[in-house]
Amino acid sequence: EIVLTQSPGTLSLSPGERATLSCRASQSFTRTFLAWYQHRPGQAPRLLIHGASHRATGIPDRFSGSGSGTDFTLTISRLEPEDFAVYYCQQSGRSPPSTFGRGTKVEIK
Amino acid sequence: EGQLVESGGGLVKPGGSLRLSCAASGFRFDAYTMNWVRQAPGKGLEWISSVSTASSDINYADSVKGRFTVSRDNARSSLVLHMQSLRVEDTAVYYCARDRTILDHYFGMDVWGQGTTVIVSS
Repeated sequence: EIVLTQSPGTLSLSPGERATLSCRASQSFTRTFLAWYQHRPGQAPRLLIHGASHRATGIPDRFSGSGSGTDFTLTISRLEPEDFAVYYCQQSGRSPPSTFGRGTKVEIK
Repeated sequence: EGQLVESGGGLVKPGGSLRLSCAASGFRFDAYTMNWVRQAPGKGLEWISSVSTASSDINYADSVKGRFTVSRDNARSSLVLHMQSLRVEDTAVYYCARDRTILDHYFGMDVWGQGTTVIVSS
């Protein structure tokens, strides 16, 4: 099973600042199997990025994903008020199970 | 775009059973793998089960293997999770979500339901 470790656990930033979230895997896997989600309290999770770097439909271009092998990054170029939420990375390949990281909370400083 | 609506959550005693349903609409249900993902209070997202388009490939997380059973009915565009031998630690919001992988590209869980709450308590 691939374990995903997200860091930091909490990121305290102000609106307009840049957020850089890390997701490190316990073993290397094909980058096309990496996704990122945003989860706000009381709402369903929202897909942001698939295939490590492809924005999902309707996702603003301030969100970008990068990385390969064991190290992946989600970047939010300029934080908007609605971006303060918890972010999860997920891997899903041919070898089950699918796994999520423990999440990074982006909070208002 | 598609919509998923879960139902069947509630309060159940430890050791009890519960049946969750997920009704799909607005998309070709039989073209997508379907998943159950849960979030326990104060915890992160946990994938617990998936079923492929024709039910030929079914998988479970170790935490629920042997106690939960997933099934789908493509004719009715529905997904079901039978939960048995429930434990206090199964208390969570349960989401259904669709995803698919095409030519080694995983397109992510792009449609989710709003979730149904399961509370296991005596």
